[in-house]
This record gives sequence, structure tokens and C-alpha cells, in this order.
Amino acid sequence: DTAVSQTPKYLVTQMGNDKSIKCEQNLGHDTMYWYKQDSKKFLKIMFSYNNKELIINETVPNRFSPKSPDKAHLNLHINSLELGDSAVYFCASSHPLRHPGQGRLDTQYFGPGTRLTVL
Amino acid sequence: GEDVEQSLFLSVREGDSSVINCTYTDSSSTYLYWYKQEPGAGLQLLTYIFSNMDMKQDQRLTVLLNKKDKHLSLRIADTQTGDSAIYFCAEKRFGNEKLTFGTGTRLTIIP
Repeated sequence: DTAVSQTPKYLVTQMGNDKSIKCEQNLGHDTMYWYKQDSKKFLKIMFSYNNKELIINETVPNRFSPKSPDKAHLNLHINSLELGDSAVYFCASSHPLRHPGQGRLDTQYFGPGTRLTVL
Repeated sequence: GEDVEQSLFLSVREGDSSVINCTYTDSSSTYLYWYKQEPGAGLQLLTYIFSNMDMKQDQRLTVLLNKKDKHLSLRIADTQTGDSAIYFCAEKRFGNEKLTFGTGTRLTIIP
């Protein structure tokens, strides 16, 4: 009954390789995200998709390409991996709730993370 | 996290109250959130507060918001060893899809 799942949990690879991380959510949410958490635990958003359409694309190298085959999946493909790509990558999903007079509440639900180590 | 600041570390004795602080800079914030990250796990939503509220209480958790000073705090009453984690505040700005996360505060419980 996992809500947001990611595979693999750990990924160790050599510099220069291409790798993918998969994410799936069974919450019926419209929006999905990818975050990068570095060794100091700083969390930064990378991408966001809403109904398979890219809506947030932060300053991320072109080597990173998200792909959303359907609303429940958002995969992250990374080309030509570099040492600095080593981090924990989190997928998340959300569904907006509109509270009258209080704007839009977007509660994000996170996956367990994928620890990527580039050697 | 450059617009949302937190102290990096906090140590509290078991049974005492923990107060984790967060400051933000954008006055258009609509919602503010607290997330908890246990070792090796993803972020788990603890609570949130709408920007026109001053306080929200949920069992052992109390959120205080001072909108004038752009200061948010999370108080955990009767802190237990299971509360050891990194706590992140996050803000959602009006008209912006994304959340901006703070730097995270690592809470350590002293037996």
C-alpha cells in the first residue's frame, strides 16, 4: 500500500554512465516532483509535472531529463553522470486542495529516496 | 534553502520541550509546513499552517507563526527518542507551484 515508491533505493555507478530512477504514486495525484538532497541535507526542487506536463524546471543541467509516461509515473534519466551528481533523489506527489479564502494547499507526499553514488 | 533559514542543530533532554525555529523572507507565503525526515527515509508531513493563522495545535505539536517577523516555530512537547530526526520548514508562495524548503534542523534527544 506504498503511496510514493522509488526504484532503486541505492544506485552505485561509474562516472560517465547513464542511469534512470523510477517513481510511481498510487494516490491519484496530479502533480509529481523530483528533489535533490545533497550531503548537507539541503533539499532543492529540480522538476515538477502536472498531468504529464512540465511545470517547474529549475536550473538543472541538461543531462537530467524527466519523463512522465502517465500521471502516476515520473522517471528521472541522467546522462553522463558526474561526481557532483552523488546525492539522494526524492520523488514526491501532491494534489491541490482549495480552501475558500485560504488559497491552495499543496501537501506533498515523499518517496523513500534513491541514494545515488557516482564513483 | 537560501530564503528559508533554520538552525542546523538542536539538542534536547528527553521529556523536555523542543522548539525548532524557522525564518523566511517572502511576505506572499500562503502556507507554511513542517516536515520530519528520519534517517534513511523520505520527508513526512507533520503539520501545516495557513498564513493568516497565529497558532495551530495538534497533539504534542504546536506551530506558532509571527507573520510580521516572518518567523515560524514548531514546539514538540514531552520530546521522546522517536522524535530524533531532521525537521524542515517549507513555504508555499502565492501563485507559485513549488515549496521552498529550509536548511533543516537536526534534533538530537539526550537521554
